Amino acid sequence: AQKVTQAQTEISVVEKEDVTLDCVYETRDTTYYLFWYKQPPSGELVFLIRRNSFDEQNEISGRYSWNFQKSTSSFNFTITASQVVDSAVYFCALSGGSNDYKLSFGAGTTVTVRA
Amino acid sequence: DGGITQSPKYLFRKEGQNVTLSCEQNLNHDAMYWYRQDPGQGLRLIYYSQIVNDFQKGDIAEGYSVSREKKESFPLTVTSAQKNPTAFYLCASSISAGGAYEQYFGPGTRLTVT
Repeated sequence: AQKVTQAQTEISVVEKEDVTLDCVYETRDTTYYLFWYKQPPSGELVFLIRRNSFDEQNEISGRYSWNFQKSTSSFNFTITASQVVDSAVYFCALSGGSNDYKLSFGAGTTVTVRA
Repeated sequence: DGGITQSPKYLFRKEGQNVTLSCEQNLNHDAMYWYRQDPGQGLRLIYYSQIVNDFQKGDIAEGYSVSREKKESFPLTVTSAQKNPTAFYLCASSISAGGAYEQYFGPGTRLTVT
């Protein structure tokens, strides 16, 4: 069975602070895919990143960065110099290999950035 | 603009009535999905479809039904058999079915049954 745990339910920061969202996953698959999605107050989920299990290279996209560590089964997400527009619920998700059609989502972390 | 549309955004129904939620995509994606989101929880898969005229049950299919007669459309019917239908429903699509492909989501429909 696949499982995604986002231990932080809510995080509140002041604008310009950095914030790191933790994601720990469990899977028996050797090939799997990890995702992060953002859900702003409007409700629509926005795709942020996909990472496959063979690519442990960290990635940076603007103020966003991701740290994938297979040794600890973690795929953490950092927002640098947070802005009010970053306020949202962030979901980490996991899917198995090619024949796995299901995304297993974590419970989400609500990030509130205060001006 | 390419994307996924869901209508309506808010839907109210009386208990015992069936209700159909619309989902349309113009991304030319083969695969489509329906998820349910409850407060404070992640998304749970209701049904998915890999291709036209084919669909499979997800984790919580009881009380729901779907059809996939056209590539662009994947409507979800919430039947009176669904014990707790009030929730936020999200439709998604991906280029193809399979774990490697990211899913793109519509704006969602918030269903309230009283």
